[in-house]
Amino acid sequence: GENVEQHPSTLSVQEGDSAVIKCTYSDSASNYFPWYKQELGKGPQLIIDIRSNVGEKKDQRIAVTLNKTAKHFSLHITETQPEDSAVYFCAPSSSGSARQLTFGSGTQLTVLP
Amino acid sequence: EAQVTQNPRYLITVTGKKLTVTCSQNMNHEYMSWYRQDPGLGLRQIYYSMNVEVTDKGDVPEGYKVSRKEKRNFPLILESPSPNQTSLYFCASSINRGADTEAFFGQGTRLTVV
Repeated sequence: GENVEQHPSTLSVQEGDSAVIKCTYSDSASNYFPWYKQELGKGPQLIIDIRSNVGEKKDQRIAVTLNKTAKHFSLHITETQPEDSAVYFCAPSSSGSARQLTFGSGTQLTVLP
Repeated sequence: EAQVTQNPRYLITVTGKKLTVTCSQNMNHEYMSWYRQDPGLGLRQIYYSMNVEVTDKGDVPEGYKVSRKEKRNFPLILESPSPNQTSLYFCASSINRGADTEAFFGQGTRLTVV
């Protein structure tokens, strides 16, 4: 099965700075790379995803980059705001898998005002 | 509004007393699953269902049962809860069976077994 490692486990940044979270996976068949955001008291919600035929994807202040050779992908948040404070999870998977997502252990991001 | 609804949100129970956590989605999704979330371990899949009457084990199925008699509902059953099942539980649904589709999560059920 997929072995997923996510780093760092906690991250504190000043408002306006950038944040980067890295996810390393083991299954070379993985071809879908999403990031989920979990706010306090809520379920995770997809914020951005990328497929293996693309190296980078941006959506306003967030971006995901993929290095398939090295088997890792990263979440980049620029110009961080207090509302970005949450737990972020990566969940690499394969479209050929009948089972759903294997999540990383999560990163608690705190944006300090 | 498209959503996944879990009930109850909070539950405290005693060891051995059977309980059911309900999950319902209104998006006509084929795929539904249950996860538990524990500190430092992320979310781990308990059971999943690819369609009505089709269910299978995830990574941590011991002590749990599920059923999928209707497309919209996917209850999680703990026949004899134990303290190690104290956790935060999430139900999720996706449009189809592929692992490369967006999962929509419920609000969570915080279960405490004493």
